[in-house]
Order: sequence, then C-alpha cells, then structure tokens
Amino acid sequence: KQEVTQIPAALSVPEGENLVLNCSFTDSAIYNLQWFRQDPGKGLTSLLLIQSSQREQTSGRLNASLDKSSGRSTLYIAASQPGDSATYLCAAANDYKLSFGAGTTVTVRA
Amino acid sequence: DVKVTQSSRYLVKRTGEKVFLECVQDMDHENMFWYRQDPGLGLRLIYFSYDVKMKEKGDIPEGYSVSREKKERFSLILESASTNQTSMYLCASSPPGTGRDTIYFGEGSWLTVV
Repeated sequence: KQEVTQIPAALSVPEGENLVLNCSFTDSAIYNLQWFRQDPGKGLTSLLLIQSSQREQTSGRLNASLDKSSGRSTLYIAASQPGDSATYLCAAANDYKLSFGAGTTVTVRA
Repeated sequence: DVKVTQSSRYLVKRTGEKVFLECVQDMDHENMFWYRQDPGLGLRLIYFSYDVKMKEKGDIPEGYSVSREKKERFSLILESASTNQTSMYLCASSPPGTGRDTIYFGEGSWLTVV
C-alpha cells in the first residue's frame, strides 16, 4: 500500500523567502506525482503534475522535482508572498488511485 | 472552465439518518471519486467510479454506498449516519486512463452528524 508523508506539517516564513516543501512515498511504481493547493474550507486546486518519466515541472514561481528511485518529490516556491499561505498536498498516482499526504500548512508573514 | 459542483456545502444530520451527497461534473469525465478529509489523516478514498453504473471500493467504504446513474453525476450515500462520519467530503473527476491526467475537485461538503 502506498504511503505518502509530508514533513513538516506546518511552516511559517517571512515574505520573500523561498519555500521548500517535501513529499516522500513508499512505492516507486507511480504514474505521476501531483501537487495541490488547498485554501481553508475549500477543495483542492492542482498546481503541478509530474509524469513518472519526468524529473521536474515548472509553472511560474513554482517548481516541482521528482526522484522516483528515492521516493521523493520537492515543491519549491520562489519569493513567497502572503497569498501563498495555504495547505499544500502531494499525491502519488498508482493506477487510477491517488494516495495523499496529510499536507504542509504554509504561512507567509508580511 | 472546468467545474465539479457539490450541491450541499454544509449539512447537519442526526445519527441514523440517511444522507445523500451529490456531485456533478461538466467535463464529460469517465472517472469520478469520493474522498473524505480529516485533520492529520489527509484524503482517503471512499469509492471510485470509472463509468456509468460501475463502482469500486476505495480504502474506507464501510458505512457508505454510491450511485452513478448518469455520467455527470456521482452520489455518495450514508445509509445510517454516525458521529464518526462527521468530516469534509470531497468529490473529484478525471479523464479516463490510469492517473495520467490532472484530477479536478469540488469545493467540498462539510457534514456534521449529531
């Protein structure tokens, strides 16, 4: 069974600092790894999807890397802003099924 | 714009009641999912449907059933609600295939069972 872990559970940084969020998974036979953002009381919004054959994916200030062999993915957010405050979840896809981490809650202080 | 709509955002139900949570998607997706989200536990899959009238159990199906009579609609049913089913329920949909495409989520339904 796929287990996905995100450490730390919470993170607080001053505005402008770069954010590094970690995700680890136990079963490396994944189709893809996805990162989501969740605002309080809301659903999840997809940020980045990295296919198993890719090493990284970029969108604006966001960059996600994938190392299947070590079972790790990292989400980098450059020059953080207060609007980046949210919970970030990663999910590993095995067949049709996504296994989620519990998330990292980020607070960016103005 | 892609849309997954959960008609009930906030519900309060009594123990033993039958509860229906409705989800509609407008993207003609084959796959639809129901998850529950609890603090510290992340999202856990309850049921999955890959076609009309087709369903598969997820990780925590006990106490739940689902219905998919039309492609765009996927309903989650709590046959007899219990307090340990108090949670946030998230519906999602995705194109066919084996997880190679982005999954889209609704806004969630907050259910409190008293």
